[in-house]
Amino acid sequence: SQQGEEDPQALSIQEGENATMNCSYKTSINNLQWYRQNSGRGLVHLILIRSNEREKHSGRLRVTLDTSKKSSSLLITASRAADTASYFCATDRGNTGKLIFGQGTTLQVKP
Amino acid sequence: GAVVSQHPSWVICKSGTSVKIECRSLDFQATTMFWYRQFPKQSLMLMATSNEGSKATYEQGVEKDKFLINHASLTLSTLTVTSAHPEDSSFYICTSTKTLNYGYTFGSGTRLTVV
Repeated sequence: SQQGEEDPQALSIQEGENATMNCSYKTSINNLQWYRQNSGRGLVHLILIRSNEREKHSGRLRVTLDTSKKSSSLLITASRAADTASYFCATDRGNTGKLIFGQGTTLQVKP
Repeated sequence: GAVVSQHPSWVICKSGTSVKIECRSLDFQATTMFWYRQFPKQSLMLMATSNEGSKATYEQGVEKDKFLINHASLTLSTLTVTSAHPEDSSFYICTSTKTLNYGYTFGSGTRLTVV
């Protein structure tokens, strides 16, 4: 079963703008991860934030985590056409190692 | 970094035949491999967890006799779709990690089309 929801489902922006995607989850977590998927391809790990962390940065990516609200956000700054992809959040289920994915956000960055 | 090689990337088969998908960890030992399927424009659904040297565990609703998983070595896990039907057409993808609480490495996926 899916862990939670992501919004928006689809996002279209101009190059140079920022893109924000949100993810909510239902159960307690050890960490939350964000992945990117280009059409018809495998997933690429972007960033992992642990349950005791509130914010994390990696290049143009900024991730926040609010465990009280069971939500996370991914911000991509100064977007590029190459950022066009689907973005998924995923949470682990206890210590099983199983990743449960959100519904995903499809991002289109127009040049 | 960790690499998972998945083959084939796409396959077309006739109804009733079986298809084997392989995932190899190239530079680390994948004690556990997770198998997902993804329908068009949808998210990834966990199908099963394979552990080296033991039986796979399947998620609720996934037929273990239809989706045979073998994890014979620390670097190879296979998923065989048996007696494939058109409704099995999907994108199948595997993943593993060197260590829990770190990012996972995904195979490139297999697009299965059953005609």
